[in-house]
Amino acid sequence: SQTIHQWPATLVQPVGSPLSLECTVEGTSNPNLYWYRQAAGRGLQLLFYSIGIDQISSEVPQNLSASRPQDRQFILSSKKLLLSDSGFYLCALSKGDDTDTQYFGPGTRLTVL
Amino acid sequence: GDSVTQMEGPVTLSEEAFLTINCTYTATGYPSLFWYVQYPGEGLQLLLKATKADDKGSNKGFEATYRKETTSFHLEKGSVQVSDSAVYFCALGVYNFNKFYFGSGTKLNVKP
Repeated sequence: SQTIHQWPATLVQPVGSPLSLECTVEGTSNPNLYWYRQAAGRGLQLLFYSIGIDQISSEVPQNLSASRPQDRQFILSSKKLLLSDSGFYLCALSKGDDTDTQYFGPGTRLTVL
Repeated sequence: GDSVTQMEGPVTLSEEAFLTINCTYTATGYPSLFWYVQYPGEGLQLLLKATKADDKGSNKGFEATYRKETTSFHLEKGSVQVSDSAVYFCALGVYNFNKFYFGSGTKLNVKP
């Protein structure tokens, strides 16, 4: 079965600093990959999704970007963090077939000070 | 557009009480429906799913039935435990558009 790794698990960054969060996948190939953000006590906000290498769709215009340099690697980045970027970032995958199910990684807790 | 609405929380119950968390959806196609559970500090775990009308998903004593006529997918459990305390998310997946839509989450607190 598939496994999703997220790195780092927690991160504290100053406002204006850059960001790079990594998501890697094992046990499956050609997955659809997703980045979500969950603000404290809130629901999930879809940020980006990707159906293949270098194929990224942005759901919300903001200071974040995503890249997929390899089939099983999905990276979330920012050049300058804002206070409002604080939250719990979740990477997820779906297999793009009729199973229709999303599987989630353990998440990265980002605090911007 | 496609969306999911679930009841506001928090929901506080005593151990062994009956649980219902309401979820309704709007979809233009034929979605699959899901319930996910999130324990503190963790990612979401799939709890159960249903892929077509009248299907019943079940797992760990939880159940939900895909009701197309009422566009609902309510989560139920006959007797909750303290260990069920978590946040529950209702979601729908639209296969051919590769998209998933989540409700805002309902926090469940179960007291001994």
